[in-house]
Amino acid sequence: GENVEQHPSTLSVQEGDSAVIKCTYSDSASNYFPWYKQELGKRPQLIIDIRSNVGEKKDQRIAVTLNKTAKHFSLHITETQPEDSAVYFCAASKGNNDMRFGAGTRLTVKP
Amino acid sequence: DAGVIQSPRHEVTEMGQEVTLRCKPISGHDYLFWYRQTMMRGLELLIYFNNNVPIDDSGMPEDRFSAKMPNASFSTLKIQPSEPRDSAVYFCASSSPGIGQYFGPGTRLTVT
Repeated sequence: GENVEQHPSTLSVQEGDSAVIKCTYSDSASNYFPWYKQELGKRPQLIIDIRSNVGEKKDQRIAVTLNKTAKHFSLHITETQPEDSAVYFCAASKGNNDMRFGAGTRLTVKP
Repeated sequence: DAGVIQSPRHEVTEMGQEVTLRCKPISGHDYLFWYRQTMMRGLELLIYFNNNVPIDDSGMPEDRFSAKMPNASFSTLKIQPSEPRDSAVYFCASSSPGIGQYFGPGTRLTVT
């Protein structure tokens, strides 16, 4: 089955700096890669996703890149703000069904 | 739409008791997922349904766990008998093809 690894497990950045979180997956058949943000005590919320026919996708300060050959994908947050502090999860699946999540990255943005 | 609805939001029960968690997916979504989240094991997929039919229950930890989806707007996850190691936050999520999964607020289960 699919195995998703996520790095780093914790990340601390200064407000205004960029943050990058990386994930690798094992199943070359996976074709859907969402990213979720989970604030303390709340539900995971979908913030951006990318499909295997696209190499990059951007939404304001957030961007995701996908390298199918290397089987890795990354989340980039620019101009970080304190409200970006949360745990971020990557995931991979075939379609949108049997989704496997990474272990999460705790991002802290220091004012 | 109110989003995915789960009840109860918190449940405290004693070991050996039956626990039933409930979920109402977003109207029109034909996939429903049950997840468990703990500090030790992270976010784990337990089971998912498509059009009310269980597709993959390989993540269900033991026979003590069972899930049903009697109709498109309701699903239950039952633990019988419950054990302290079942303590976790249980999330329900729903989706349709081409869109991401949307999570409910979760049920925080504590088994003493």
